Amino acid sequence: SQQGEEDPQALSIQEGENATMNCSYKTSINNLQWYRQNSGRGLVHLILIRSNEREKHSGRLRVTLDTSKKSSSLLITASRAADTASYFCATDAQNNNDMRFGAGTRLTVKP
Amino acid sequence: NAGVTQTPKFQVLKTGQSMTLQCAQDMNHEYMSWYRQDPGMGLRLIHYSVGAGITDQGEVPNGYNVSRSTTEDFPLRLLSAAPSQTSVYFCASRHRDNSYEKLFFGSGTQLSVL
Repeated sequence: SQQGEEDPQALSIQEGENATMNCSYKTSINNLQWYRQNSGRGLVHLILIRSNEREKHSGRLRVTLDTSKKSSSLLITASRAADTASYFCATDAQNNNDMRFGAGTRLTVKP
Repeated sequence: NAGVTQTPKFQVLKTGQSMTLQCAQDMNHEYMSWYRQDPGMGLRLIHYSVGAGITDQGEVPNGYNVSRSTTEDFPLRLLSAAPSQTSVYFCASRHRDNSYEKLFFGSGTQLSVL
């Protein structure tokens, strides 16, 4: 079964607004990663947060991790039309080498 | 560097046909994997490899075979294609055999099985 589940499935906002996407997972993890996928393209890595970290920033991206609730959130601040894409969280199980992805959140940023 | 290269980009098969999806990376990554992406399902792991000669099953391995004879190449074989295998397939790679590294993805192969 899939490890991560994103919420919401779809999100539509105006340019300049902030976008928040959530991810829940089921088992203990080493780290959690967020990826972006433009329509018809492969996934591109955005940010990784380790299990002993609670928050991480990269440019307009802010990721939080709550291991007690088995959840993470991705915040994109001051969104742009170019941020329109699908966003996926990916997790590993501590004893496995594989990475499992959620179903993704489709973000639409209207100009 | 080309990164992760997948061929072909598009393929149409008839039920029962066989084919091989090619994946090659030029980053000397030990870890390689295959995912399939279906609408509303996200990416599901088919098979992965932590090095030449080593492969393991992922979440949805049935109907697919893999081998890893070299570090660079990780082909995915469909022995007898079924309509349920219609999907977009992504190959990905990273350094090392643990998950503290980001995955690099190919651009995908869109497969239709009629």
